[in-house]
Amino acid sequence: QKEVEQDPGPLSVPEGAIVSLNCTYSNSAFQYFMWYRQYSRKGPELLMYTYSSGNKEDGRFTAQVDKSSKYISLFIRDSQPSDSATYLCAMRETSYDKVIFGPGTSLSVIP
Amino acid sequence: DSGVTQTPKHLITATGQRVTLRCSPRSGDLSVYWYQQSLDQGLQFLIQYYNGEERAKGNILERFSAQQFPDLHSELNLSSLELGDSALYFCASSFIRSNEQFFGPGTRLTVL
Repeated sequence: QKEVEQDPGPLSVPEGAIVSLNCTYSNSAFQYFMWYRQYSRKGPELLMYTYSSGNKEDGRFTAQVDKSSKYISLFIRDSQPSDSATYLCAMRETSYDKVIFGPGTSLSVIP
Repeated sequence: DSGVTQTPKHLITATGQRVTLRCSPRSGDLSVYWYQQSLDQGLQFLIQYYNGEERAKGNILERFSAQQFPDLHSELNLSSLELGDSALYFCASSFIRSNEQFFGPGTRLTVL
């Protein structure tokens, strides 16, 4: 079992839809949870990060962490064609700097 | 533009050869991370340096090595190259902790 799992997609939605992207993980010591966006053949770009459980909102993006279920989500409201990219979840333990990335979910937002 | 620079953008070489990839972190960032991204393996953490010292190690092969110099730029050396080493190699930097990493544009390595 991989430490971090994501549905690879591809996920295709119409413009304006609410998108839900999810990751599950197995290491209960993970405390920091990040979401990165990667456009084709470009470097990943940090969208947001959260610490421990709870929600965090930034514009059209909301990150949720449920540590009891070892499950994190990223919601994108009013999705735009420019949101079409691969979304990578990432996480790490408190005292260890090594970040584990999920395999990514490919998202296409159709105009 | 993340502020992280990587050179070269593309590299084509033959099996058995040795190459060096270079990374300059964002101004003020002390940590540098190296990742390998291939289609079947996703983004794999290789190694991290903090202010010149090795801080964390991932799935880095013995044929690969890295270092961070006093001016904080970093180099990743790949030797005895194999076809399977063909991938995108990303460098990222952060101020101290790894929560907020800024990635460079990557170096695409093709081993023929």
